[in-house]
Amino acid sequence: DQQVKQNSPSLSVQEGRISILNCDYTNSMFDYFLWYKKYPAEGPTFLISISSIKDKNEDGRFTVFLNKSAKHLSLHIVPSQPGDSAVYFCAAITDNFNKFYFGSGTKLNVKP
Amino acid sequence: KAGVTQTPRYLIKTRGQQVTLSCSPISGHRSVSWYQQTPGQGLQFLFEYFSETQRNKGNFPGRFSGRQFSNSRSEMNVSTLELGDSALYLCASSLYRAASSYNEQFFGPGTRLTVL
Repeated sequence: DQQVKQNSPSLSVQEGRISILNCDYTNSMFDYFLWYKKYPAEGPTFLISISSIKDKNEDGRFTVFLNKSAKHLSLHIVPSQPGDSAVYFCAAITDNFNKFYFGSGTKLNVKP
Repeated sequence: KAGVTQTPRYLIKTRGQQVTLSCSPISGHRSVSWYQQTPGQGLQFLFEYFSETQRNKGNFPGRFSGRQFSNSRSEMNVSTLELGDSALYLCASSLYRAASSYNEQFFGPGTRLTVL
């Protein structure tokens, strides 16, 4: 039972444009949402997070939006750079703070 | 500070065999979690160990087991390997603080297991 879903396995964007990665979840008890970035042959690295009590969190070129009523979050990257090309995973946590639920990932390709 | 290390990086086994993977967390981190990554399934949580005790468990069969040692190093064992066990196995460590809203997980590079 996949509680966190990323329905787009891949996304291709031109350098300088906006990348929007989407994530849907089913469990209304999730307290925190995170985005991780993964390069080949490396483990995922933390990118940005958002608490369920907020609807937006921004860190430089990265902004995460949370729509609790729709159980949807998105990651915006503006402007996109070729170095952003990686697989992006969204993850969610319930009050059991060390059990993470991950989506299946979206492979982002930023074309120069 | 050294990151999370996993050994071996690559492993090839045949069906029916068993395998043991090792994870050394970041110094001072007491929580170690294990994940299985397969194409299309993302990262699926296997289990989490804290202070040598399994604290959380995912929905995997009993063939998957783990343990944690007093130095926080963790091992994961898979017995009676099946073809479907071919995956990237990732471990992540975190500095567990009960007062924190969540504890960031730091991932190792993974062990690529191929079952033939």
